[in-house]
Amino acid sequence: DIQMTQSPSSLSASVGDTVTIACRASQGIGRSLAWYQQQPGKPPKLLIYDASTLQSGAPSRFSGYGSGTDFTLIISSLQPEDIATYYCQKHNSPPWTFGQGTKVEIK
Amino acid sequence: VQLLESGGGLLQPGGSLTLSCSGFGFTFGHYAMTWVRQAPGKGLEWVSTISHSAAETWHSDSVRGRFSISRDNSRNTVFLHMSSLRVDDSAVYYCAKDSPHTQYTSGLLLEYWGQGTQVTVSS
Repeated sequence: DIQMTQSPSSLSASVGDTVTIACRASQGIGRSLAWYQQQPGKPPKLLIYDASTLQSGAPSRFSGYGSGTDFTLIISSLQPEDIATYYCQKHNSPPWTFGQGTKVEIK
Repeated sequence: VQLLESGGGLLQPGGSLTLSCSGFGFTFGHYAMTWVRQAPGKGLEWVSTISHSAAETWHSDSVRGRFSISRDNSRNTVFLHMSSLRVDDSAVYYCAKDSPHTQYTSGLLLEYWGQGTQVTVSS
């Protein structure tokens, strides 16, 4: 099975900073990569799919890119409400594995 | 769209439990449905998925042979039947709906999630 590995596990940044989170697949998955945001105490929300397509309703400060095995989520101009854990997920075929998560905190 | 899970609880190792999830605000029978769990302080773990027609089901290695998933489209409800429960099955179990983008494909995007139901397995 394909494993999904995120880095870093956690990060601390200031409001207004640009934040980048990486996700690596153990084998190529084309562009079938999604990102989810889970704010504390809430269920996850779909942010991005197909590596770079913004889900309806997601703020435009979120963007993604990548293909094959290496993917990146970018939060430009970090806002207080972006405090959350972010997960990548391969969405092309089963098992639809998640990464282990990246916790984003405000400095 | 709303997803309402129920059926969680506290039980002993080796026990059985069935979770339910009712969907509202969409054509339930047109979408695959999924269970994802999250152990305390841990990340998300995909558990089981059932196709829109119930013709296909998929399970993670960690639950295959112990859990099964089913659905009743006439009642807009999906179920997770859990047996031989272990302490490490303790988690919040979320029900989630597939996205139109991956509808009727082998892909899975979890567009809407319920609030989750807690399952605790302890002696």
